[in-house]
Amino acid sequence: QSVLTQPPSASGTPGQRVTISCSGSSSNIGSNTVNWYQQLPGTAPKLLIYSNNQRPSGVPDRFSGSKSGTSASLAISGLQSEDEADYYCAAWDDSLNGHVVFGGGTKLTVL
Amino acid sequence: EVQLVESGGGLVQPGGSLRLSCAASGFTFSSYEMNWVRQAPGKGLEWVSYISSSGSTIYYADSVKGRFTISRDNAKNSLYLQMNSLRAEDTAVYYCARDDYSSSSPFMDVWGQGTTVTVSS
Repeated sequence: QSVLTQPPSASGTPGQRVTISCSGSSSNIGSNTVNWYQQLPGTAPKLLIYSNNQRPSGVPDRFSGSKSGTSASLAISGLQSEDEADYYCAAWDDSLNGHVVFGGGTKLTVL
Repeated sequence: EVQLVESGGGLVQPGGSLRLSCAASGFTFSSYEMNWVRQAPGKGLEWVSYISSSGSTIYYADSVKGRFTISRDNAKNSLYLQMNSLRAEDTAVYYCARDDYSSSSPFMDVWGQGTTVTVSS
């Protein structure tokens, strides 16, 4: 059972917009920023969004993040086949000294 | 090129020990805080341990506290994870990851390719 809650799966067709939610509590998302990681099949995780809504250099602007209260969302617009991957949200948790907590991950399928 | 390369994984019996290493290159290793994150087969990511840039501050997940020890050698640009009293549930791919900050908010911006640890008799 992960501290942050994500839907186990999501899907969309090419060109569509999909969103992935991440729900937490006041001790993690409610008081700290949210980061998102993309893990393509058989590869290491890659930073996708940091500080709720910032994209690292090289990440397409099709990817966007937002946060409200104790929840966060990742949106992918103009869905492409290469976006098929696992997506994880993460945040620092003030109730767990020094601990980073991850969501359980969402497997995105491009139909 | 900024890079992290893990090594040291393998097959070990329950109760055994293993030492993982993470070699950093392409950046000033001594300026960055570091983490170990693991992923059990078919499962999600689990943060394992954190160490500050100087090594003076260390945190562990409850699942490994008292059994794992994180350390670093800034002169050798290397991060380590000493794993003792290994259990089957420690079987996972172990990643080292660099911490960066934006307005005091941390995120793991560079990840290694991972090293596989299998605990089985």
